[in-house]
Amino acid sequence: AQSVTQPDIHITVSEGASLELRCNYSYGATPYLFWYVQSPGQGLQLLLKYFSGDTLVQGIKGFEAEFKRSQSSFNLRKPSVHWSDAAEYFCAVGGGEYGNKLVFGAGTILRVKS
Amino acid sequence: EPEVTQTPSHQVTQMGQEVILRCVPISNHLYFYWYRQILGQKVEFLVSFYNNEISEKSEIFDDQFSVERPDGSNFTLKIRSTKLEDSAMYFCATGQEYYEQYFGPGTRLTVT
Repeated sequence: AQSVTQPDIHITVSEGASLELRCNYSYGATPYLFWYVQSPGQGLQLLLKYFSGDTLVQGIKGFEAEFKRSQSSFNLRKPSVHWSDAAEYFCAVGGGEYGNKLVFGAGTILRVKS
Repeated sequence: EPEVTQTPSHQVTQMGQEVILRCVPISNHLYFYWYRQILGQKVEFLVSFYNNEISEKSEIFDDQFSVERPDGSNFTLKIRSTKLEDSAMYFCATGQEYYEQYFGPGTRLTVT
């Protein structure tokens, strides 16, 4: 079955510290991969996407993600977290076996402490 | 920067009533989607729409649901007879390509 796993439900980091949010997917071929961010009461904002090519992709707000085929992973990183990054982050996959819909992970809630 | 817009932002309805949720896609986008997010749960795909027809739908999207583009610009989701379990945030998403989706701010539907 198609699935996307975000193993961390909550993560707390100090402001200025680095961040890595994990995402794994189940699919044989390389799907299209996305990270979205949702602030409380808001919609989903696209942070970055990977389709092919360079496995390290840059997104908005200083985020980047690395696709690792051997691990079926697409982890999101930021070198220095700001208090405004506190939100819920969703990994999503689409394309190929997933068709043209997106399948979302359960989300990771990021808390930033000062 | 163009955005997907949705109206209303919040809709309260009684069980059994019909509701229509509206979305205005980004102007040159060709692919349209509805998703929902029940409080505390994952975002779930409902339906995709392209070239004036449904291209894919999930098991959730039963006969109570329908979609259309009534005037070539708006994209609507109709729930014919709402149930308590339809209470959720409904997101419209649109894209210029089938693999690229930009989400609107959502409509919170509360069924009482």
